[in-house]
Amino acid sequence: RKEVEQDPGPFNVPEGATVAFNCTYSNSASQSFFWYRQDCRKEPKLLMSVYSSGNEDGRFTAQLNRASQYISLLIRDSKLSDSATYLCVVKPSNTGKLIFGQGTTLQVKP
Amino acid sequence: DAGVIQSPRHEVTEMGQEVTLRCKPISGHNSLFWYRQTMMRGLELLIYFNNNVPIDDSGMPEDRFSAKMPNASFSTLKIQPSEPRDSAVYFCASSQDRFNEKLFFGSGTQLSVL
Repeated sequence: RKEVEQDPGPFNVPEGATVAFNCTYSNSASQSFFWYRQDCRKEPKLLMSVYSSGNEDGRFTAQLNRASQYISLLIRDSKLSDSATYLCVVKPSNTGKLIFGQGTTLQVKP
Repeated sequence: DAGVIQSPRHEVTEMGQEVTLRCKPISGHNSLFWYRQTMMRGLELLIYFNNNVPIDDSGMPEDRFSAKMPNASFSTLKIQPSEPRDSAVYFCASSQDRFNEKLFFGSGTQLSVL
């Protein structure tokens, strides 16, 4: 079983739609969680951290469910520019390394 | 700030040849990571350094792969001999320290082994 699992998609949605991605992780001792964004043929960049209480950054909302070991990302009012691959990232406790999921691809259509 | 700098951007080589990938982390960053990305396996951590010391190399595929960080501003990833299955995008990333969880990635090296 992979340490971090995501539905690869693609998710094809119209502009203005709300879309949600989920991610599950296998290590219950994981300490920190993130969403990174990767544009086609580019490097990954941090989108947002995920806090236990849930957090919001503009149109983006991230939530963590430790009991079920999953993380979610909600994008409201999606824009064409949101088209990218969204990578779920987990940091196990007592380690400096980040484990990346394979990513979920989003295509926002006009 | 110039960001993380990787070279070369593209490398095409023949099976059996030695390949050396280079990385210059952001100045002042103490942790450096080498990742490999393929369609099949996604982003895999190969090795990471903290203060120039290798901390975890459990992701290095086999003895053909080696990585060094002789000083705080330079790291290399070497593959000798290279094989077609090594074809991938290799990313270098740095962070301020091992507890700073924001990674800054370089633009990557697209490696093709024929």
